[in-house]
Amino acid sequence: GQQVMQIPQYQHVQEGEDFTTYCNSSTTLSNIQWYKQRPGGHPVFLIQLVKSGEVKKQKRLTFQFGEAKKNSSLHITATQTTDVGTYFCAGLSGDYKLSFGAGTTVTVRA
Amino acid sequence: NAGVTQTPKFQVLKTGQSMTLQCAQDMNHEYMSWYRQDPGMGLRLIHYSVGAGITDQGEVPNGYNVSRSTTEDFPLRLLSAAPSQTSVYFCASSRNGGDYGYTFGSGTRLTVV
Repeated sequence: GQQVMQIPQYQHVQEGEDFTTYCNSSTTLSNIQWYKQRPGGHPVFLIQLVKSGEVKKQKRLTFQFGEAKKNSSLHITATQTTDVGTYFCAGLSGDYKLSFGAGTTVTVRA
Repeated sequence: NAGVTQTPKFQVLKTGQSMTLQCAQDMNHEYMSWYRQDPGMGLRLIHYSVGAGITDQGEVPNGYNVSRSTTEDFPLRLLSAAPSQTSVYFCASSRNGGDYGYTFGSGTRLTVV
């Protein structure tokens, strides 16, 4: 079955620095979605990427879908304390199963 | 608009007991899913539904049953609770399975002793 792997598991960032989290799938994906979960909260949908090589931006967040539609990345610039949380990628397969990676938990040092 | 409502928020069960986790959405979404979240393992799909009367298994379906008699409701039944089912359970719904992402409920924290 489809497996989605995400690295790193933890990211400790100095406020103001940039970081990237990566997502890889064992199979080609129909699309990839990114979610953010604040501590004690529930996952919240951020964005979806559908096209090969697609790049989307949301303020300081840049999302990219690989050319082969098997990998994706999330890059955050100038990290702020509001960026604290766990970021999940999730791959959608043809049978509408949305499979999540294990997530990258981000902590920020002020 | 309430979105996705899960009840209860917290539950403690004894091993062998059964219970139903409730999930309801008021957005007329066709797609609904149940996930469990355990530390370091992300969210794992238990069961999902692409419409009323249609359900299918996810990655970790053993020990759980679902039904979808209406568009709004998607209850998850634990048949005979085991300590390994201690987890946080999330219900999620989507309009069409992906284009607008999934909306998650606030979760049910279940402890089986």
